[in-house]
Amino acid sequence: QVQLRESGPGLVKPSETLSLTCTVSGDSMNDYYWGWIRQPPGKGLEWIGYIYYSGGTNYNPSLNSRVTISVDTSKSQFSLKLRSVAAADTALYYCARLPRYNWNPIGYFDYWGPGTLVTVSS
Amino acid sequence: EIVLTQSPGTLSLSPGERATLSCRASQSISGTYLAWYQHKPGQAPRLLIYGASTRATGIPDRFSGSGSGTDFTLTISRLEAEDFAVYHCQQYGTSLTFGGGTKVEIK
Repeated sequence: QVQLRESGPGLVKPSETLSLTCTVSGDSMNDYYWGWIRQPPGKGLEWIGYIYYSGGTNYNPSLNSRVTISVDTSKSQFSLKLRSVAAADTALYYCARLPRYNWNPIGYFDYWGPGTLVTVSS
Repeated sequence: EIVLTQSPGTLSLSPGERATLSCRASQSISGTYLAWYQHKPGQAPRLLIYGASTRATGIPDRFSGSGSGTDFTLTISRLEAEDFAVYHCQQYGTSLTFGGGTKVEIK
């Protein structure tokens, strides 16, 4: 069974770049999409973006100008960079897998990591 | 953006009771592209239902989903101890958005 786990700094200073990595085990990254979702304290889940194993990306328009997602299938990892962070970016960040149909993501997340808390504070 | 409103915010029930959770969309969701997740603190969210009514692999049949258009429901026929958690709905018909969650707590 596929397993995902997020890793990265738990504290980031305002205006800096948040960087997280998701390590995938138990299955190949090939033929799936891989995404990031976050949940600010006391709020609902928010989709950040996703990437195909071969590199194509799609980002939430509300975060598009600050987000980059990349993939390294040789390491079974994909990564999130969120630039110019502020306190509002404090959240639990999750990585997850999206199944696909033909060449398109189906849009729901069938496996998730346990999440990692990132706090933006000076 | 399609906004999903989940109700109630908190549902207080006893084991063995039936739970009915609602997810209402601000506009019609194309293709019944709606999913439900179960989420316990400190754990990875778990996919329960996709396509509004299809149970994911390994999900017990006490969980069922229904609905179309703007109104969707997750029903847990008889609550078991491990079912007390937060439940999120998510639409994937137009971009991707989530509801605010419903907490099912022990009464």
